[in-house]
Amino acid sequence: AQTVTQSQPEMSVQEAETVTLSCTYDTSESNYYLFWYKQPPSRQMILVIRQEAYKQQNATENRFSVNFQKAAKSFSLKISDSQLGDTAMYFCALHIRTGTASKLTFGTGTRLQVTL
Amino acid sequence: EAGVAQSPRYKIIEKRQSVAFWCNPISGHATLYWYQQILGQGPKLLIQFQNNGVVDDSQLPKDRFSAERLKGVDSTLKIQPAKLEDSAVYLCASSPHVLAGDTQYFGPGTRLTVL
Repeated sequence: AQTVTQSQPEMSVQEAETVTLSCTYDTSESNYYLFWYKQPPSRQMILVIRQEAYKQQNATENRFSVNFQKAAKSFSLKISDSQLGDTAMYFCALHIRTGTASKLTFGTGTRLQVTL
Repeated sequence: EAGVAQSPRYKIIEKRQSVAFWCNPISGHATLYWYQQILGQGPKLLIQFQNNGVVDDSQLPKDRFSAERLKGVDSTLKIQPAKLEDSAVYLCASSPHVLAGDTQYFGPGTRLTVL
């Protein structure tokens, strides 16, 4: 079974500062992908960043980057130059292929508040 | 490109009533997912379709929940009869294939309140 753990229920950061959201996961699969999704208040979930487990290089998307530590099964998200629009729930998710199905397992989320 | 559409956005019903949700995925996406998101938790997969066939319904409470995807396009999820614990947001998502690593695109969700 796959598990994803986000140990920070809530975080706060000032505008223009940097914040790191933590995520650990567990799986016995060797081929998997990791995602960070963002869910703004009353808005739909959108993809922030994606990491293939077989790639050692950490993924980067503009102000968003990850620190992927495969041996430690850790996948943290760093948001640089935080903006008010970054206020949202952030979900870490693990994606594996099982037979004919693909399974996306989510953590419980971290609520990020960006303040002035 | 139009996103994943869901309706209704909100629904309030009494326990033991029935309710149905509708989802229209992104055009051309073969795979469609229904998730249940209880307040304060991450989404939990209920059922996954590839085209019009079910590939995973292991977490669907089949005594009260049912889903179909006719003609491999849009889908409906039904709850009959509803219980208080079914209060949640029901999310529909789609992806081009069923490959590991395929990005799933989510709809706005239907917020269900069972009184």
